[in-house]
Amino acid sequence: DAGITQSPRHKVTETGTPVTLRCHQTENHRYMYWYRQDPGHGLRLIHYSYGVKDTDKGEVSDGYSVSRSKTEDFLLTLESATSSQTSVYFCAISEPVTGWNEQFFGPGTRLTVL
Amino acid sequence: DAKTTQPNSMESNEEEPVHLPCNHSTISGTDYIHWYRQLPSQGPEYVIHGLTSNVNNRMASLAIAEDRKSSTLILHRATLRDAAVYYCILRTTTSGTYKYIFGTGTRLKVLA
Repeated sequence: DAGITQSPRHKVTETGTPVTLRCHQTENHRYMYWYRQDPGHGLRLIHYSYGVKDTDKGEVSDGYSVSRSKTEDFLLTLESATSSQTSVYFCAISEPVTGWNEQFFGPGTRLTVL
Repeated sequence: DAKTTQPNSMESNEEEPVHLPCNHSTISGTDYIHWYRQLPSQGPEYVIHGLTSNVNNRMASLAIAEDRKSSTLILHRATLRDAAVYYCILRTTTSGTYKYIFGTGTRLKVLA
């Protein structure tokens, strides 16, 4: 299995509080992605990174920010959590420059905003 | 961004072939077609990918239409362990960076 961990795995928080989710990889892959998964929507891309300090928005980026200060860590921050951000969050990594297109996914973080 | 469309659910009998369709009529010339599957309480896992030609691997086959506006994932002999949500995805290239656009997936039920 690819070395991807997410922390925390479960979190319950209150509306209006800041929340940071961490994705950590040991594969030295250049690309890292944050997705959210909700019933009826599949996985939707929030933000992604194509290198240290290089990030870009996905299709559902409003209310989220990210940071990548080193290759192995990609942080997702909800500055002021809302109930609509209750979801399962997945991190993924890939290294397309090698010609291999596969994404590897972490185990997910279940976030509940009350 | 290009989108994919899949049926919400399909059923198959065990040890029979399964053909999972996907439409991607707005696909661009550089978009790769990927398929992933997701078992309950797990993250998605890679199944297969292709660009223009049909592809085979130990898990499945991918048949891509000549105009690339649709594709079909083929599981040659479904087993109970193949019951999962199957996602058809486009890997797109924008300004030299890569991102993956997921569809809503097809839930495959395998009947014993």
